[in-house]
Amino acid sequence: QKEVEQNSGPLSVPEGAIASLNCTYSDRVSQSFFWYRQYSGKSPELIMSIYSNGDKEDGRFTAQLNKASQYVSLLIRDSQPSDSATYLCAVIGNYKLTFGKGTLLTVNP
Amino acid sequence: DAGVIQSPRHEVTEMGQEVTLRCKPISGHDYLFWYRQTMMRGLELLIYFNNNVPIDDSGMPEDRFSAKMPNASFSTLKIQPSEPRDSAVYFCASSFGGEEQFFGPGTRLTVL
Repeated sequence: QKEVEQNSGPLSVPEGAIASLNCTYSDRVSQSFFWYRQYSGKSPELIMSIYSNGDKEDGRFTAQLNKASQYVSLLIRDSQPSDSATYLCAVIGNYKLTFGKGTLLTVNP
Repeated sequence: DAGVIQSPRHEVTEMGQEVTLRCKPISGHDYLFWYRQTMMRGLELLIYFNNNVPIDDSGMPEDRFSAKMPNASFSTLKIQPSEPRDSAVYFCASSFGGEEQFFGPGTRLTVL
């Protein structure tokens, strides 16, 4: 059973701080990793993808991948109240996306 | 560009009734996925298609569930007969190449 584990939170950070979201996965052969953001009552929205070890930056978002440790993280710099949402980590193998249950992030003004 | 389109957005039905959910993927995408989301189980893949052909239906919970993709621009997920435990949000997603997936707005199903 392929598993993706996330801390369910809630993770609460003040506005302007760095939010750090973490994810571990069990399938060593996984090659593609994604972060989705889901606002309450809405559908998941792809915000980051990462395929190789190291960091990938896109605006205020940085995804980090460590395949040896089977660990993926998402950093959100200068957090804004509009970043308040559930963040889903997803790992793909054979085109099947396995999602973690998500971490609820709350950014307090 | 239009995203993934799903209908209906909300469905309330009684136990034992047939339910049909519909999806129109993004034009040009060759993969289509059906997911179910509940608080208890999170987001689960039910079935996916590549070029209209079902590839993996191992996530379909039981024979009451069926899915079809008669052409590249339309897919259905049918539940017959429906049960209260089928109440969930059902998402359709599409992808070009099978990796980055784009989700529709979902159908919130309530079975009484």
